[in-house]
Amino acid sequence: GAGVSQSPSNKVTEKGKDVELRCDPISGHTALYWYRQSLGQGLEFLIYFQGNSAPDKSGLPSDRFSAERTGGSVSTLTIQRTQQEDSAVYLCASSFAGGNSPLHFGNGTRLTVT
Amino acid sequence: LAKTTQPISMDSYEGQEVNITCSHNNIATNDYITWYQQFPSQGPRFIIQGYKTKVTNEVASLFIPADRKSSTLSLPRVSLSDTAVYYCLVGDEPISSGSARQLTFGSGTQLTVLP
Repeated sequence: GAGVSQSPSNKVTEKGKDVELRCDPISGHTALYWYRQSLGQGLEFLIYFQGNSAPDKSGLPSDRFSAERTGGSVSTLTIQRTQQEDSAVYLCASSFAGGNSPLHFGNGTRLTVT
Repeated sequence: LAKTTQPISMDSYEGQEVNITCSHNNIATNDYITWYQQFPSQGPRFIIQGYKTKVTNEVASLFIPADRKSSTLSLPRVSLSDTAVYYCLVGDEPISSGSARQLTFGSGTQLTVLP
């Protein structure tokens, strides 16, 4: 079956513009996670969804970052007024809920803010 | 949060067995230990998960001592294609706590397999 799909795979934007990143999780996975990975670094947790609700938004770096999930499926991560320090790879993962189910990751969106 | 500590990098040669150890001294009772592999320009990929003792699958083995304060990922007979970053993740299912922050990845171990 299809894995986690993220789009676009690459995005170049000018400083100050808004961007929207999309994640299509594996069908049936109720949990969805967003992470950020800067060049050569580990993964930084951003936000977690269980169904459509986000019980944990604690990782969002600022109020310019927001995310939503509709229909318990597709999620979008929006970054407003992008800054150069927002440049990174944004990774989405999904999993079944319960039982310490492993995370399944997409290949990410590489965001470059010029 | 169960903080993990791994070596930053390791080198090995083709055909050798590689052991990567992860320290997690403040692991909680409900925490599982999960290892992921990441190639450049790809998301991490699940390798193996365990709670205690030893787990083996077609790719690797995971050794967890009785005190669970560390774990060792063992890759048998590595090949060049095993060159990647390996992450140890310690955490509980966020549903039970409401917080997913404990599903926090450390810096990982860059494994380089040499010919």
